[in-house]
Amino acid sequence: NAGVTQTPKFRVLKTGQSMTLLCAQDMNHEYMYWYRQDPGMGLRLIHYSVGEGTTAKGEVPDGYNVSRLKKQNFLLGLESAAPSQTSVYFCASRPTVGTEAFFGQGTRLTVV
Amino acid sequence: AQRVTQPEKLLSVFKGAPVELKCNYSYSGSPELFWYVQYSRQRLQLLLRHISRESIKGFTADLNKGETSFHLKKPFAQEEDSAMYYCALRGNTGNQFYFGTGTSLTVIP
Repeated sequence: NAGVTQTPKFRVLKTGQSMTLLCAQDMNHEYMYWYRQDPGMGLRLIHYSVGEGTTAKGEVPDGYNVSRLKKQNFLLGLESAAPSQTSVYFCASRPTVGTEAFFGQGTRLTVV
Repeated sequence: AQRVTQPEKLLSVFKGAPVELKCNYSYSGSPELFWYVQYSRQRLQLLLRHISRESIKGFTADLNKGETSFHLKKPFAQEEDSAMYYCALRGNTGNQFYFGTGTSLTVIP
């Protein structure tokens, strides 16, 4: 069981570059989430999706865009990376029925 | 607005000692509360949820609506309990999970 898989695991970007983080889940979950984890800040919700074709803003959406074209994939995009976006990014998914969220292994992003 | 507060960033206890990780929440409604754990270099995983009223790995947590708290407790800490612990809240709509800032627990041998 793959569960929730994030690609890539590590990435270094230069300021101003763009990139897309991929989250894939094979559990047919409706809900998907993107969080960033920063020291002393915990996990903060960036964007989330309640189903294919839908997205919504979380607590810290600025500088990020997302898309959910397929139910199993949730993409997080950075159009113009900034050093403040250096963080560990976690994706999670959850079924409609049931409360537990399942997390990916994380993506460590450094913007220099 | 901070919905989940974990006042302790770091907590150290000796092996065999009791441990309590504090969590307070702020939410107008009937939230669901969870504890997630992240062991070194691993992904976050669910430890327990208040609706199950279960004990996992010796940990328990009771939802106190009057004090709006969901503290995590274990009577005898073990070295393998060393990890980052996050308290989380799922609101009425069920769409969003809010996490606290986390408590890093170190169990000293």
